[in-house]
Formats: sequence, C-alpha cells, structure tokens
Amino acid sequence: EVVLTQSPATLSVSPGERATLSCRASQSVNSNLAWYQQKPGQAPRLLIYGASTRATGIPARFSGSGSGTEFTLTISSLQSEDVAVYYCQQYDNWPPYTFGQGTKLEIK
Amino acid sequence: QLQLQESGPGLVKPSETLSLSCSVSGGSISNTNHYWGWIRQPPGKGLQWIASIYYRGSTYYNPSLKSRVTISVDTSKNQFSLKMNSVTAADTALYYCARQTLYQLDVWGLGTLVTVSS
Repeated sequence: EVVLTQSPATLSVSPGERATLSCRASQSVNSNLAWYQQKPGQAPRLLIYGASTRATGIPARFSGSGSGTEFTLTISSLQSEDVAVYYCQQYDNWPPYTFGQGTKLEIK
Repeated sequence: QLQLQESGPGLVKPSETLSLSCSVSGGSISNTNHYWGWIRQPPGKGLQWIASIYYRGSTYYNPSLKSRVTISVDTSKNQFSLKMNSVTAADTALYYCARQTLYQLDVWGLGTLVTVSS
C-alpha cells in the first residue's frame, strides 16, 4: 500500500501570501495524484488531478506540481475562503486508493 | 447537475451490519465513463477509501476491509449501496459516496454519519 505523508500538519499563512503544501509518497506514483479541499462541515472537493490539472471551476490561484514521490499544492494568493484541510490521494497503485493525513490551512 | 445523496441508519449496534445507499440524480449511474465509490472519515480524522463499483458490476475493495464489505449497484433505481458486516466502534465515521471519473473522486455526496454503539 502506498503511504502518503503530508507536511506540514498545520500551515498558517497571511491573506494574499503564498501557501505551499507538500505530499510525499512512499513509492513512485508517477503523476497519478489528486488534491482535495475539505472545508469545515463539508464534503471534500476535487481541486487537482493528474498532479497538475485543475478540476472544473477551480480558481487559477490553485496549482499542483510534482511527479514520482514529491508533490506540491500551491495557493498563489491566499483568500479567507481557502481555510480548509487539504488532502492528497494517489491512484497509481490501487486498490487501495490512499490519502494523506491532511494539512490544515489557517489564516494568520 | 449531478447530485449524490447517502441514506441509511445513523446508529448500528456492534457486530451488526451497516447498510447504506447512495442515490444519484441529475445523471445516469450507467454512464460508461464513471465508477461509483464509498469513502469514510472517522470523526476528526482523515479519509479512507472503502470500495468502488462500475455499473456493470465490476468491483474494487480496500484490502483492509474487503472481508467485511460488499458494494452493489441497482441501475433501475440509479443507486448503489454499501454493506459492512461485523461492525465495531472503529467503524464509526462519516460515510461519503462519490463519483469516480478515471481515478479521481470528482462529485461527492454530503455524507452520512454512522455511529456504532449499543
């Protein structure tokens, strides 16, 4: 089973600043990685798939990069509505699909 | 607009069977481009994929849960279901159903909380 490790566990960023979230895989998952955003009390929402492709309706300030074992989700200019927990998910080696443990993004 | 809605008992006794359904509206569950899946989230914790199914019946299970879980589809009702037997308190979670396009989960239901307690 592929283990995904996200860092940091909690990230505090000022409005308008850049937020950088990391996801490391225990083995190569090529570019078969997605990112999800989960706001308090809501279901997760797909942000990025294929490591770097934005899902429909996702603002351009969200971008994904990486391949193999190292991945990054970047929010170029943090907005208050971006406060959420962010999860990465791999689908290269499945079943099972696996998720990271999440990064909680806060406003500083 | 595609919507998914989970339904089922909110309380299940230990050792009994958890049964949930997911109703799909605004689109057909028989769409050849999609799988349909279940994911759960224990209170305050992360996400765990449980199982996925294709409308023709092909199934995939999380190996850690496979012995206790069955996923099924009813195309006539445009819904799919999850059964998990021999539940314990560790199965207490928010259970989500979701549409799977290629391999990513792109449409989610709101989730239903299932508590395992006597």
